[in-house]
Amino acid sequence: EIVMTQSPATLSVSPGERATLSCRASQGVRSFLAWYQQKPGQAPRLLIYGPSTRATGIPGRFSGSGSGTEFTLTISSVQSEDFAVYYCQQYSVWPLTFGGGTTVEIK
Amino acid sequence: EVQLVESGGGLAQPGVSLRLSCAASGFSFSSYGMSWVRQAPGKGLEWVSGITGSGGNTYYADSVEGRFTISRDNSRNTLYLQMNSLRAEDTAVYYCARAQAEVGRNWFDPWGQGTLVTVSS
Repeated sequence: EIVMTQSPATLSVSPGERATLSCRASQGVRSFLAWYQQKPGQAPRLLIYGPSTRATGIPGRFSGSGSGTEFTLTISSVQSEDFAVYYCQQYSVWPLTFGGGTTVEIK
Repeated sequence: EVQLVESGGGLAQPGVSLRLSCAASGFSFSSYGMSWVRQAPGKGLEWVSGITGSGGNTYYADSVEGRFTISRDNSRNTLYLQMNSLRAEDTAVYYCARAQAEVGRNWFDPWGQGTLVTVSS
């Protein structure tokens, strides 16, 4: 099983600041990596896949990069609606696995 | 509109069985792999099981292998998760999610709203 490790666990940022979230795979997953956003009481929402293609309707301030074992999700200027938990997921091999999540909170 | 609606959750005693359903609409159901993903209270996401669009191939997390069975009825546009020998650690919100290809090994979009399963005596 590929273990996905996200860091930091919690990221405190002020609105308008840049946020950088990391995701590391225990073995290479090529470019088969997706990011999701989850707000309290809601289902996860797809943000990015492939690992740099934004899903439909996702604002341009969200961007993804990386390949192999190291991936990054960047929010260029954090807005109030972006405070949430973010998860990465590899879909290179079964079983599919998620990272433990990064909480982006208001500083 | 693409929609996934889960049902079948509730309170169950340890050791008993429960079957979850996920009704799909707004897309060609048999053309897409599907998965179940769960989230224990206050915890992160855990992929549970996946199935190809035809239903010919199924996959499981080690934590549920041998106890849970995923299946689908493409004539009814419905995904199922049969959960046997339930344990307290199976307590979670269970989401169904659509993959982006028939093979199912993919990212997920959309997700259902989830159904809560609580295992407790």
